Amino acid sequence: AQTVTQSQPEMSVQEAETVTLSCTYDTSESNYYLFWYKQPPSRQMILVIRQEAYKQQNATENRFSVNFQKAAKSFSLKISDSQLGDTAMYFCAFMKRSTGANSKLTFGKGITLSVRP
Amino acid sequence: EPEVTQTPSHQVTQMGQEVILRCVPISNHLYFYWYRQILGQKVEFLVSFYNNEISEKSEIFDDQFSVERPDGSNFTLKIRSTKLEDSAMYFCASRVDGYTFGSGTRLTVV
Repeated sequence: AQTVTQSQPEMSVQEAETVTLSCTYDTSESNYYLFWYKQPPSRQMILVIRQEAYKQQNATENRFSVNFQKAAKSFSLKISDSQLGDTAMYFCAFMKRSTGANSKLTFGKGITLSVRP
Repeated sequence: EPEVTQTPSHQVTQMGQEVILRCVPISNHLYFYWYRQILGQKVEFLVSFYNNEISEKSEIFDDQFSVERPDGSNFTLKIRSTKLEDSAMYFCASRVDGYTFGSGTRLTVV
């Protein structure tokens, strides 16, 4: 079974600054995906970024990038030039790579990020 | 961009009543899921569904829960006899490659 750990319950960052959210995971799988999801106050789950474990290159999406350390089983999210709209709960999630339906997401507990004006 | 649609957005029900939460997945997606998020807690997997049958279910998904895809478009989650602890946000998701989540149904059991 997989576990995802987000040990920081809350973080705060000044607008325009950079913040890094931490995530570690444990698995015996070799092929998998890792995700960061954003959940604003509306409670919708929005995909921020995705990383395939077989790719060594860290994923990047505009202001969002990850630091994926496979050996350490670490997957942190860096948000550059933080904006007020980034205020949300952020979840790290794991999914085993599979062609079937048995590709459930395992989520961490989440971290509440507040961006201060 | 295609969306997963969930209705209702909020449902209040009496303890012991049956509820049906509805979802319309993206039309060309093959795999369907229900997840649950108790307020302030992490999102938990309930069930996955493929080819008109359950592929996997979690320990949470006991006999009071059921899913079906009655007409090829809707995907429903039924809770037969609701308990106070069923109060949560319920998310439907569909997938062909990556996941797309619906906006959720907030279920309140009183």
